[in-house]
Amino acid sequence: GAVVSQHPSRVICKSGTSVKIECRSLDFQATTMFWYRQFPKQSLMLMATSNEGSKATYEQGVEKDKFLINHASLTLSTLTVTSAHPEDSSFYICSAWARGRTEAFFGQGTRLTVV
Amino acid sequence: AQRVTQPEKLLSVFKGAPVELKCNYSYSGSPELFWYVQYSRQRLQLLLRHISRESIKGFTADLNKGETSFHLKKPFAQEEDSAMYYCAVLNTDKLIFGTGTRLQVFP
Repeated sequence: GAVVSQHPSRVICKSGTSVKIECRSLDFQATTMFWYRQFPKQSLMLMATSNEGSKATYEQGVEKDKFLINHASLTLSTLTVTSAHPEDSSFYICSAWARGRTEAFFGQGTRLTVV
Repeated sequence: AQRVTQPEKLLSVFKGAPVELKCNYSYSGSPELFWYVQYSRQRLQLLLRHISRESIKGFTADLNKGETSFHLKKPFAQEEDSAMYYCAVLNTDKLIFGTGTRLQVFP
């Protein structure tokens, strides 16, 4: 099956700094990437959808200046949490969808802790 | 509002008992529906999708457009079925998840 690699799996950063999370599709070209946020014991909340080469579409309530998403190539998308605060601590998950496929493949997730 | 609803947060059954995890959706048009499963300490993975009408690991799900439901069923639960189950809808290029149901299968 298709593999989506997400790095880092765990990161701790100081309040006010920025953190970049990478999501790579290893054996297929991802035309669409989804970024989710998951709070403890809750569901995945869609943050944004990005298509290769175009700007990401953010869900209502998600600050696009705080959560910068770049999808510059068909195998890589990045999420940068800028000026992180403790309330940004969460589990972030990326998902990739390839043209012609009928399912989304998920990264292993990144646990961000802002101290 | 468009949404995916999974009314049960937790479903506990004994091994061998039938299981039904409920999912209702409220989307217009013809969305695609999926069930994803997340085993302990593993990433989300696809369990099944309505367009393929397949049975995976003994699970089946039938799309009922009249009731806007896509309930997941298995006649005889196994301990290894214990996991989080998410119903998801693909609509206008967005993949939206329900709140999830934790299935616990006791020996």
